[in-house]
Amino acid sequence: AQKITQTQPGMFVQEKEAVTLDCTYDTSDPSYGLFWYKQPSSGEMIFLIYQGSYDQQNATEGRYSLNFQKARKSANLVISASQLGDSAMYFCAMREGRDDKIIFGKGTRLHILP
Amino acid sequence: DSGVTQTPKHLITATGQRVTLRCSPRSGDLSVYWYQQSLDQGLQFLIQYYNGEERAKGNILERFSAQQFPDLHSELNLSSLELGDSALYFCASSVGNPQETQYFGPGTRLLVL
Repeated sequence: AQKITQTQPGMFVQEKEAVTLDCTYDTSDPSYGLFWYKQPSSGEMIFLIYQGSYDQQNATEGRYSLNFQKARKSANLVISASQLGDSAMYFCAMREGRDDKIIFGKGTRLHILP
Repeated sequence: DSGVTQTPKHLITATGQRVTLRCSPRSGDLSVYWYQQSLDQGLQFLIQYYNGEERAKGNILERFSAQQFPDLHSELNLSSLELGDSALYFCASSVGNPQETQYFGPGTRLLVL
């Protein structure tokens, strides 16, 4: 079974609009961490935001926020006021328990339209 | 800039050859991770080293090996290369605590012809 599911292979959004990128995860470990990374066309992986399973509040980093719904095993990334530079591939990822490795979803390609 | 450096940026080689990819972690980070990103398999964890010792192993082929040196830089060795080994290879580093974020280097793009 897929550990991380990103159901939107691609999205087109008008500049300045808010964007929600979907991510659901599957784990039976009560301790886990959820990540979002951005991969622009240049190829590098840029860390955006982290949410721990025991964190009481949703994580926020500037224009990025993580809509964490634990019961639904959902960790959607919200980008407010999108910019042309937000066009990239976005990966949701998870680390379980004391395991160090990160498991990645297949990604969502986001296109911001001028 | 994540602070993680990888060399070379691009590598073109032939089937059957052997290559070495190099990674220098962020200052202060003890853990180094290697990931492979290919079109068909996506991003996959290969192996992790912590302070010179292998800590975790993922989907790493027997033809691949890695090590972490006393100065904490790491090398990933890929041998008997096949066409399917063509991929983007990332190194990431963290302090070593499982709760810590992993910061990725710019990657090495390997093309096997």
